Amino acid sequence: DAKTTQPTSMDCAEGRAANLPCNHSTISGNEYVYWYRQIHSQGPQYIIHGLKNNETNEMASLIITEDRKSSTLILPHATLRDTAVYYCIVSPRISSGSARQLTFGSGTQLTVLP
Amino acid sequence: DTAVSQTPKYLVTQMGNDKSIKCEQNLGHDTMYWYKQDSKKFLKIMFSYNNKELIINETVPNRFSPKSPDKAHLNLHINSLELGDSAVYFCASSPGDRVAWGYTFGSGTRLTVV
Repeated sequence: DAKTTQPTSMDCAEGRAANLPCNHSTISGNEYVYWYRQIHSQGPQYIIHGLKNNETNEMASLIITEDRKSSTLILPHATLRDTAVYYCIVSPRISSGSARQLTFGSGTQLTVLP
Repeated sequence: DTAVSQTPKYLVTQMGNDKSIKCEQNLGHDTMYWYKQDSKKFLKIMFSYNNKELIINETVPNRFSPKSPDKAHLNLHINSLELGDSAVYFCASSPGDRVAWGYTFGSGTRLTVV
């Protein structure tokens, strides 16, 4: 799997947009970008994924650069409940060959401030 | 309805004891996992089962033995517990063994070995 680099921590004011960057400069053509988050004392939660087009769902938006070497997860109106560790992961959508598992890095601790 | 449920939520036990953690998913997923999150918050895969068949077994002591009676259940039995086994254990499921999207995690079992 391609390696990702994320800032260790970020703060965001409540009600403002939270923009979480992720670098994945060695991403392969068949690899998607996935975002999960882990709220304190809970299991990780799937947020969104994308290949090259920007994606949006009820939780967030994902902006992927044209060269696919980096992406940004956007929480449009952050709330206190969005305080969590956010993980950016790159992986093929469906891998060929052997089975794969989701591999988590250290992520970004987002703290939403009142 | 809880999608992935694991019991117990908390488990405190003495060194040398044997204990089990149970996991059940009602999502109809084919693949289930056990992850371990240590005190430094790194999430690491331990095991993966696809349709009751073990497909991933990371470097885990053989004191840990997973069992999958059917594809909706994956239990984890731990023999001769050691202090270093103290961690939060997460069960998860996904639609298949080769996808990185749609993982659903349980709320975790905090194991404390004293």
